[in-house]
Amino acid sequence: DIQMTQSPSSLSASVGDRVTITCQASQDISNYLNWYQQKPGKAPKLLIYDASNLQTGVPSRFSGSGSGTDFIFTISSLQPEDIATYYCQHYDNLPLALTFGGGTKVEIK
Amino acid sequence: EVQLVESGGGLVQPGRSLRLSCAVSGFTFDDYAMHWVRQAPGKGLEWVSGISWNSGSINYADSVKGRFTISRDNGKKSLYLQMSSLRAEDTALYYCAKEDIDGRMDVWGQGTTVTVSS
Repeated sequence: DIQMTQSPSSLSASVGDRVTITCQASQDISNYLNWYQQKPGKAPKLLIYDASNLQTGVPSRFSGSGSGTDFIFTISSLQPEDIATYYCQHYDNLPLALTFGGGTKVEIK
Repeated sequence: EVQLVESGGGLVQPGRSLRLSCAVSGFTFDDYAMHWVRQAPGKGLEWVSGISWNSGSINYADSVKGRFTISRDNGKKSLYLQMSSLRAEDTALYYCAKEDIDGRMDVWGQGTTVTVSS
């Protein structure tokens, strides 16, 4: 089974800072990697799909990159409303399965 | 409006069963695969099970294989999760989620809480 390792598990940054989260797959997953934002008490929200594509309606300060085993999620300028936990997620279709990273909790310093 | 509404959660004793439902509206249900994802209190997201649009492909996380059964009724626009032999570690908020394409979960319900305790 493919494992997704996300780091850091938490971070604290100031408003306007650039924030970077990494996700590493235990084997090559091409670009089958999505990123979600989960605010406290809310369901997850899809932000980035296929490693680098911005979901419709998501602010352009969010971005993703990478392929193979190493992926990066970036918030270019942290805003107060970005306080949330962020998850990477891989998808397999043979057999059908999703694998989530452990999550990164982002807080304001 | 695209909407997923879960129901059926509650407090149940270990070893007992529970059936979760997810009613959908606002999109053509039988065009899409669907998934159940859970989140234990204070923990991360854990995929539980997924089902293709026509129920031809079904899979489960190892943690629930043999105890949980996913199903769908396209006519009723509903997704189900039959949970049996429940354990304390199954305590979680259970979300249903719509798969847009290639594993993108683009719509989520608000979740239903399952608590397994004596």
